[in-house]
Amino acid sequence: DAGVIQSPRHEVTEMGQEVTLRCKPISGHNSLFWYRQTMMRGLELLIYFNNNVPIDDSGMPEDRFSAKMPNASFSTLKIQPSEPRDSAVYFCASSYGQGIDEQYFGPGTRLTVT
Amino acid sequence: AQKITQTQPGMFVQEKEAVTLDCTYDTSDPSYGLFWYKQPSSGEMIFLIYQGSYDQQNATEGRYSLNFQKARKSANLVISASQLGDSAMYFCAMRLTQGGSEKLVFGKGTKLTVNP
Repeated sequence: DAGVIQSPRHEVTEMGQEVTLRCKPISGHNSLFWYRQTMMRGLELLIYFNNNVPIDDSGMPEDRFSAKMPNASFSTLKIQPSEPRDSAVYFCASSYGQGIDEQYFGPGTRLTVT
Repeated sequence: AQKITQTQPGMFVQEKEAVTLDCTYDTSDPSYGLFWYKQPSSGEMIFLIYQGSYDQQNATEGRYSLNFQKARKSANLVISASQLGDSAMYFCAMRLTQGGSEKLVFGKGTKLTVNP
C-alpha cells in the first residue's frame, strides 16, 4: 500500500518565485496536515484539513502561504512570492478519522529559496 | 500554556542496551494523546507509539514502550535492546484541542546515537 506521496522531493527556487508543493494522502484517510520543519522552530503545523475542508489554518505564517484540497486524494501548498526564510522541509501527513490520531508522514519536500 | 518539552538534545547508548528518552508535557485538557515519532537521517517521520490519557496501561510496540506517568505529566520513550538502526531524532508530540480543533504539537526532539 502506497504511503503519503509528496512532490517534488527537492525544490530550489529564487526569491520572489511561486512555489507549489503537492501531496497525495493515503487512500481512505480523511485528514491531511501540512507541517514545516526548521532547525530554529522545529516541526510546526501549518494547516489541517478534514474531509477536504480546512479546519485550522492558524499556523500558516502569512498571506503568502495558501493551501487547497480540491479532492480527497490531492492537496497543494503554495508560497507566492517565496522568500529565503521559507527555506525548510515541508511535510504532508494524513490520518484516518475526524480527530488527530496516528499520522503517517510523507517523505517531505526540501525547499531552498535563494 | 499547553506545551511539550524534550530536555535531552542528544543521547548516547551502547548497542543492545536500553535507553530512555524524556518527554514532559503541560496541558489542562483532561483528554489528550501522546505520540512518539522517529526521524532517521533520511528525513521521513515514522510513527512509533501512542498513549491516550485515559489508557490504564503503558503502551508497548515491540522494542518500544512508553513510560506514562500522568501525575508527573511525563511520557518517556523506552527503547530496549538498542540497535544501530535506532540512531535518529526522536520527537514526542501531544494531541491537544485549541480553538475547537485538534492539533499535534511537537517537542524539539532528541538525537539518539547508538554506538557499536
